[in-house]
Amino acid sequence: AQSVTQPDIHITVSEGASLELRCNYSYGATPYLFWYVQSPGQGLQLLLKYFSGDTLVQGIKGFEAEFKRSQSSFNLRKPSVHWSDAAEYFCAVGARAAGNKLTFGGGTRVLVKP
Amino acid sequence: DTAVSQTPKYLVTQMGNDKSIKCEQNLGHDTMYWYKQDSKKFLKIMFSYNNKELIINETVPNRFSPKSPDKAHLNLHINSLELGDSAVYFCASSQVRLANYNEQFFGPGTRLTVL
Repeated sequence: AQSVTQPDIHITVSEGASLELRCNYSYGATPYLFWYVQSPGQGLQLLLKYFSGDTLVQGIKGFEAEFKRSQSSFNLRKPSVHWSDAAEYFCAVGARAAGNKLTFGGGTRVLVKP
Repeated sequence: DTAVSQTPKYLVTQMGNDKSIKCEQNLGHDTMYWYKQDSKKFLKIMFSYNNKELIINETVPNRFSPKSPDKAHLNLHINSLELGDSAVYFCASSQVRLANYNEQFFGPGTRLTVL
């Protein structure tokens, strides 16, 4: 069975500073990896996804993520954080063999200091 | 223009009541899902339907019954509501293809509060 771990529950970062959110997954087959963002009181918005190919993927809002198979990781990064990036971030792995369900990590809450 | 819509957005009800949450997608997708987000923000899949056929049924109490009248709709009916059912419920949809995996598009969520 697949699983996702986001080791950091909370991260506080100053506006303009860089941000990195960690994600480790466990899945026996080819992983389909996603990062979603949830702003307060809102639904889930897809930031980026990795299916195959280039291991560095670009997403919306200036985010990027790097897939490292050897480390079973898919960390999310942004070079310069804006106050509007304060939100909850979820890493997820999709499993074709399990009816295409998404398994989510526990989320990382990002707080942005002025 | 809304891709995946849910109604209602908020639902406050008493223990023991029966309630439904509706979900509709206009993306032409063939698969729809229900996820539950608990008070600690943990998201877990409950059900999925592909072309009106139940594909995923996680360990969810029998009080929860999904209904898919057509592939654009997946409603969630909950009987005998309990305090622990309080959560945010998200509907999602995707187009399942044999040779690949496709992202899921999420609705705005329905916040259910059981008193």
